[in-house]
Amino acid sequence: DTAVSQTPKYLVTQMGNDKSIKCEQNLGHDTMYWYKQDSKKFLKIMFSYNNKELIINETVPNRFSPKSPDKAHLNLHINSLELGDSAVYFCASSHFTGGIIRMNTEAFFGQGTRLTVV
Amino acid sequence: SQELEQSPQSLIVQEGKNLTINCTSSKTLYGLYWYKQKYGEGLIFLMMLQKGGEEKSHEKITAKLDEKKQQSSLHITASQPSHAGIYLCGAANTGKLIFGQGTTLQVKP
Repeated sequence: DTAVSQTPKYLVTQMGNDKSIKCEQNLGHDTMYWYKQDSKKFLKIMFSYNNKELIINETVPNRFSPKSPDKAHLNLHINSLELGDSAVYFCASSHFTGGIIRMNTEAFFGQGTRLTVV
Repeated sequence: SQELEQSPQSLIVQEGKNLTINCTSSKTLYGLYWYKQKYGEGLIFLMMLQKGGEEKSHEKITAKLDEKKQQSSLHITASQPSHAGIYLCGAANTGKLIFGQGTTLQVKP
């Protein structure tokens, strides 16, 4: 069984379109994330959800809207796609262990969704 | 904000050689994670270090966290083509995992 699964794996779309990427985890984790990996392979966090609540939003444009219907799912909807949105998007999950510094266990990642905007 | 810097950015080694990748943090590390990414694939978790001076090994890969908890190293012994990929260090930071820019490793047969 795949621990963290994303769909689709590849997405090619035109500028201005709206698209969604789905993510599901079967690890029983309470925290899920979306990361963006640019052409230089730098991995940057976009959002973090804990128990369906948004806890981190890293200055991502409003065109990106995450939705978490339950703890096992975190979908990413993108409106009015732009050329600069082309990247690989990774979903991940972990378990929040709490504490003053808000520790998490290691994160498990999906296979990524390669988004190409033309 | 915390930043992680990895060195070198890229590395080409002959099969059988040893190599080391470094990760330096701008702040104290409370959790340091090493991941490996193969082209077109997701990140594979390798190891997690939390305590100063901690060292962990998995097969031919050893990771260490220094006593001051601001630097970690990943050492591969007798490298093989299967070790090729991008190695990323990550740090736990207020509920999120941030990453270094990655080190691309090529192993020549």
